[in-house]
Amino acid sequence: EDQVTQSPEALRLQEGESSSLNCSYTVSGLRGLFWYRQDPGKGPEFLFTLYSAGEEKEKERLKATLTKKESFLHITAPKPEDSATYLCAVVGNTPLVFGKGTRLSVIA
Amino acid sequence: NAGVTQTPKFRVLKTGQSMTLLCAQDMNHEYMYWYRQDPGMGLRLIHYSVGEGTTAKGEVPDGYNVSRLKKQNFLLGLESAAPSQTSVYFCASSFAEPPYEQYFGPGTRLTVT
Repeated sequence: EDQVTQSPEALRLQEGESSSLNCSYTVSGLRGLFWYRQDPGKGPEFLFTLYSAGEEKEKERLKATLTKKESFLHITAPKPEDSATYLCAVVGNTPLVFGKGTRLSVIA
Repeated sequence: NAGVTQTPKFRVLKTGQSMTLLCAQDMNHEYMYWYRQDPGMGLRLIHYSVGEGTTAKGEVPDGYNVSRLKKQNFLLGLESAAPSQTSVYFCASSFAEPPYEQYFGPGTRLTVT
C-alpha cells in the first residue's frame, strides 16, 4: 500500500529563518511526487512535480529535492506570505496518495 | 480561464437528505477527481473519471455516487447523507493521468447534522 508521511506536522519560523519540510514515502513504482501549497479555506495549489531520485526544482524561495525514500521542501529566508500548509503526494500504480501536510507559520 | 469551479461553497444537510455537488473545469482536461479533506486525515480520493462517460472508485467511495455526462462537468452525489460525511470536498482535474499535475477547485464545506 502506498504511504506518505510528512514531518513535522507544524513548523514555526521567524522571518528569514531557513528550514526544510520532509516527505517520506513508500510506493510501488514511483511515477511522480508532487508538492502543493494550501492556504486556509482554499484548494491546494500546485508547486512542483519530481519524477526521479536526484531531481531538484526551484520556485522563488522554495526548492524541492527527491531521493529514493523521501523528498524535502527547502524554504530559504521565508516571509510571512509563505505561511500555509504544504502537502506532499505520490503516484505509483494507484491514483494520487496525499500526506497529511505540514502547517508552516512564518512570523515577522 | 476560471479553472476549476465548485458549486455550492457551503451546505448544511440533515441526516438522510440528498444533494449533488457540481464541479466544472474549462481547461479541456480529460481526468477529473473528487476528494474529501478531514482534519488529521489529509486528502482522500472518493471517485475519479478518466474521460466523459467513465467513472472509477477511489479510496473512500462508499455513500457517494458520481457522473460525468459532459467532459467539463463531474458531479458528486450523496443519496442519504450521514454525519460521517461532514467534510470539505475538493474537485480536481488534470490533462491526463498522473503524473500530470492536478488542479484543484476552491472546495465545498458540507455539514451533516
